[in-house]
Amino acid sequence: AQKVTQAQTEISVVEKEDVTLDCVYETRDTTYYLFWYKQPPSGELVFLIRRNSFDEQNEISGRYSWNFQKSTSSFNFTITASQVVDSAVYFCALSDSETSGSRLTFGEGTQLTVNP
Amino acid sequence: NAGVTQTPKFRVLKTGQSMTLLCAQDMNHEYMYWYRQDPGMGLRLIHYSVGEGTTAKGEVPDGYNVSRLKKQNFLLGLESAAPSQTSVYFCASSQRLDWDPRSTDTQYFGPGTRLTVL
Repeated sequence: AQKVTQAQTEISVVEKEDVTLDCVYETRDTTYYLFWYKQPPSGELVFLIRRNSFDEQNEISGRYSWNFQKSTSSFNFTITASQVVDSAVYFCALSDSETSGSRLTFGEGTQLTVNP
Repeated sequence: NAGVTQTPKFRVLKTGQSMTLLCAQDMNHEYMYWYRQDPGMGLRLIHYSVGEGTTAKGEVPDGYNVSRLKKQNFLLGLESAAPSQTSVYFCASSQRLDWDPRSTDTQYFGPGTRLTVL
């Protein structure tokens, strides 16, 4: 069975600090997809990134970067020079080919607070 | 495109009452999902559908029923609401996944429905 663990329940940083959110996943499948979603205080879920298991290249999008390491089953998310607007709950999620209907298994989320 | 919409946004029920939550998507997606979000527990899948006329149970299906009579709509019903069903409910949709790394299967979420059962 698949599982996603986000061990950091809450993180608090000061603006302009870099912060890394950890995500560790478990799956028996060799074909799977990993996702990060952001949930700001307004409550909606915003898609950030999707990565498939065949592509281990790290990705950078502005101040956001993602480090995918199959050897450690991790898909970590780094925010560089954090800003107050980055304050949100961040969810990591997994979908694998053993799971019909492309269902997502979510981690419990990490509450990030960026203080001015 | 409106994306994924949910009706209503807020609702308060008394124990034993019934209600239906409506989810609509205008992206012609095959797959639709209902999740609930509780503090400290992330999102858990209630039911899902891989196409019009089909439904399947997710992780926490008890106390809920669903229907997908039209491709664009996915209804979640509570026949006899209980306080344990107080939660935020999210609907999502995605395109069919062919397990081709180039395919797009990202789930897009609605704004959520906050339900309180007294």
